[in-house]
Amino acid sequence: NAGVTQTPKFQVLKTGQSMTLQCAQDMNHNSMYWYRQDPGMGLRLIYYSASEGTTDKGEVPNGYNVSRLNKREFSLRLESAAPSQTSVYFCASIDRGTSYEQYFGPGTRLTVT
Amino acid sequence: RKEVEQDPGPFNVPEGATVAFNCTYSNSASQSFFWYRQDCRKEPKLLMSVYSSGNEDGRFTAQLNRASQYISLLIRDSKLSDSATYLCVVRTYTGTASKLTFGTGTRLQVTL
Repeated sequence: NAGVTQTPKFQVLKTGQSMTLQCAQDMNHNSMYWYRQDPGMGLRLIYYSASEGTTDKGEVPNGYNVSRLNKREFSLRLESAAPSQTSVYFCASIDRGTSYEQYFGPGTRLTVT
Repeated sequence: RKEVEQDPGPFNVPEGATVAFNCTYSNSASQSFFWYRQDCRKEPKLLMSVYSSGNEDGRFTAQLNRASQYISLLIRDSKLSDSATYLCVVRTYTGTASKLTFGTGTRLQVTL
């Protein structure tokens, strides 16, 4: 069981470039999430997907798009990167059994210059 | 007002000390409560869930007061390895999915 995997681990972009962050989970979880974490701001929800084929905006969706490709995969796209999107991005999925424990990927450290 | 508020710390305590963290939340419809631990430059991981009756896991005790919308975490006999940031987390249900709201975290540094 790999849990939640994310690629890439690190990325440097120039302003205006685009990129897609990939996320996959092998725990058969229905719900998946994308967060960003900035110093002093905590984890903020960008988008989430309750199940395959559905996505919803979180607290800070502007400048991002998502795709729930199938039950396993949930990608985050930056169409035109801005310095304000410099952050650490975490993908997560949730166990809706009894615990509602959220499992996180290792994160992507993105710098936009 | 933030949905989940925590004292950012840092709390600097000697090994063996007892330390307590507090957290308040604003959404009275919140359904589940957790403490997560995050080590430097790593992903958050579940430390423990928090129940109204209070619950204990080894040296860690969590309490929930729904009336006051207040959550606490007590760490007894602190170890160097407890040094980390502790995140207070609250779950609500949107109608289609669970949504977790994270506090900004309380940093703990345990020293010799």
